[in-house]
Amino acid sequence: DIQMTQSPSSLSASVGDRVTITCRASQSINTYLNWYQQKPGRAPKLLIYGASSFQRGVPSRFSGSGSGTDFTLTISSLQPEDFATYYCQQSYSTPPTFGQGTKVEIK
Amino acid sequence: QITLKESGPTLVKPTQTLTLTCTFSGFSLSTSGVGVGWIRQPPGKALEWLALIYWDDDKRYSPSLKSRLTITKDTSKNQVVLTMTNMDPVDTATYYCAHRGQRGDFFDYWGQGTLVTVSS
Repeated sequence: DIQMTQSPSSLSASVGDRVTITCRASQSINTYLNWYQQKPGRAPKLLIYGASSFQRGVPSRFSGSGSGTDFTLTISSLQPEDFATYYCQQSYSTPPTFGQGTKVEIK
Repeated sequence: QITLKESGPTLVKPTQTLTLTCTFSGFSLSTSGVGVGWIRQPPGKALEWLALIYWDDDKRYSPSLKSRLTITKDTSKNQVVLTMTNMDPVDTATYYCAHRGQRGDFFDYWGQGTLVTVSS
């Protein structure tokens, strides 16, 4: 299985901050990397697929980049509704593994 | 508009078999490239992919759980069924079904999830 490692596991930030979350794959996955946002008690929501393509309706403050083994999700200006847990997921090979999550909390 | 909803027991006993049904609308599981997957999440923990069935009846399973899982589809009923045998308390989790679109093995629509507790 391809292991996905996110960092940090959690972070505290203020509204308006620029936030960057990193995801590293245990082997190259080209750009088969997807990002989800999950709020407490809710199902995950797809934000980014193919490392940098926006899912319809996702605010432009979210962006994704990377290829190979290293990827980032950036929130350019954190909004109150962005406090949540973020997961990366590789879709390069079966099983499509998830990272352990990054919890973004209010500072 | 794509929607999915999971249904099944909320409580199962250890060693029992869990059967979950995903009922969906807004897409057809006979459309090329489309699939439905199951993902679970133990309380306070990360997401874990379980299984995926494709439009052509190809099936993929988590290697660590493959011996316990079966995924099937009923295209006419717009349903996908997941069975997991020999349930254990560590299988306590929220179980989600999700739509896999034509763009790749990621999930763009999710059900609300159903919490399954394994306890005697």
